[in-house]
Amino acid sequence: DTAVSQTPKYLVTQMGNDKSIKCEQNLGHDTMYWYKQDSKKFLKIMFSYNNKELIINETVPNRFSPKSPDKAHLNLHINSLELGDSAVYFCASSQGNHYGYTFGSGTRLTVV
Amino acid sequence: GENVEQHPSTLSVQEGDSAVIKCTYSDSASNYFPWYKQELGKGPQLIIDIRSNVGEKKDQRIAVTLNKTAKHFSLHITETQPEDSAVYFCAASPGSNYQLIWGAGTKLIIKP
Repeated sequence: DTAVSQTPKYLVTQMGNDKSIKCEQNLGHDTMYWYKQDSKKFLKIMFSYNNKELIINETVPNRFSPKSPDKAHLNLHINSLELGDSAVYFCASSQGNHYGYTFGSGTRLTVV
Repeated sequence: GENVEQHPSTLSVQEGDSAVIKCTYSDSASNYFPWYKQELGKGPQLIIDIRSNVGEKKDQRIAVTLNKTAKHFSLHITETQPEDSAVYFCAASPGSNYQLIWGAGTKLIIKP
């Protein structure tokens, strides 16, 4: 009965490949996010969707493309993977912008 | 824009002692301040939050204080236990968009 679930949990792939990470929330929240956490644990916002509309689009390479088919899902597609893309990617959701986020358990992406 | 600074980056305390983590913010319009705990291999989890119309909030061994004049807020953990060992993040919400501005994190180590 996981509130925010993301798959896969681990992803090891070669440079140049294309991969996707999926996220689903069953909390009825209207806003979803993608965060990147580097080896120093810093949390960096990448994208945010509110009611399927893109509202935050930080400076990330355009190889990263989010897609929100509905309010409960936010997927992340990455083209032409590079070594520097290796990190843990977290999906999160919230109700509006003045309440806490619920995070998924993360996807550890390793590019070799 | 908003900027959040968090100190210390690492904090080591004896089991049973208290721990205090401090954050400062720059935007006086910020009105929501959550704290998250991230255990190894997991996503950040909301542990307590405070809004700008409140000076202090307590939940069992955890408390958060907010000083709007000085633009800083602190997390206090009393009677620390081994399970309190984790990375703690503070954040601030400017309120005008759906973005939380995050501190860099504090690694809390509880020594037995």
